[in-house]
Amino acid sequence: EAQVTQNPRYLITVTGKKLTVTCSQNMNHEYMSWYRQDPGLGLRQIYYSMNVEVTDKGDVPEGYKVSRKEKRNFPLILESPSPNQTSLYFCASSMTSGRDETQYFGPGTRLLVL
Amino acid sequence: LAKTTQPISMDSYEGQEVNITCSHNNIATNDYITWYQQFPSQGPRFIIQGYKTKVTNEVASLFIPADRKSSTLSLPRVSLSDTAVYYCLVGFKAAGNKLTFGGGTRVLVKP
Repeated sequence: EAQVTQNPRYLITVTGKKLTVTCSQNMNHEYMSWYRQDPGLGLRQIYYSMNVEVTDKGDVPEGYKVSRKEKRNFPLILESPSPNQTSLYFCASSMTSGRDETQYFGPGTRLLVL
Repeated sequence: LAKTTQPISMDSYEGQEVNITCSHNNIATNDYITWYQQFPSQGPRFIIQGYKTKVTNEVASLFIPADRKSSTLSLPRVSLSDTAVYYCLVGFKAAGNKLTFGGGTRVLVKP
C-alpha cells in the first residue's frame, strides 16, 4: 500500500531535549516536505527536499533541521525544542515530473514541548 | 510565489452544492491549482487539480476562468461527511518551488 508513515504519532518532551521525527514513503517519490499546522495559521511549510542530498527552507525553518540521505526517508530534527514548536506536524511526498504533483500526507505527529 | 486567499468558513446543508472560490492573482504561467481536503487530526487529502477551464472527477469539479486569477471548487450534493477544511494550493510546477497553503476554508455541512 502506497503510504507516508511518521513516527512517533504523539510526543511529549521538555525544552532543550533533542528529538527526531521520522518520515518514510514507499512510492519512490523525489519530493518530500515537512509542514506544521497551528490553529488559525493553516499549514506552513518548514523544509522541503527535491531529491537525495537536496534540501531547502520553506516558510518557517527556524529551529528545525532536516536531512535526506536516502530517497525514502526525510527526518525532521529539533536540536533544542522550545514551547513555540508545540504543534501538529505533517510529512508529505510527491513526484516532481509531469502533472502528477499530488502530495501524499502522513498521519501527523502531535508534539508538545513543555 | 503565488499566494492564495479563501473564505474562512462557510455553512451548507446536506444535499446542497458548495462552491468555494480561491483567489490567486499572481499565479505563474506554469502553476497548477490543486485542492485538498482535511479532516481533524488527519493529513490533507488530494481532491482535484487543474490548469485551466474545467476539471471534473468523481468527487468534485474545478472551474478556472481564462485569466486563471481565481478558481472555484464545487462539491455537488454535500453530505455530513464532507464537513472538513478545504485548501487551495497553487504552484509546484517548476523545480525548487516552495509550497504555500492558504488558510483554508472550513466547511460545515448541517443536517
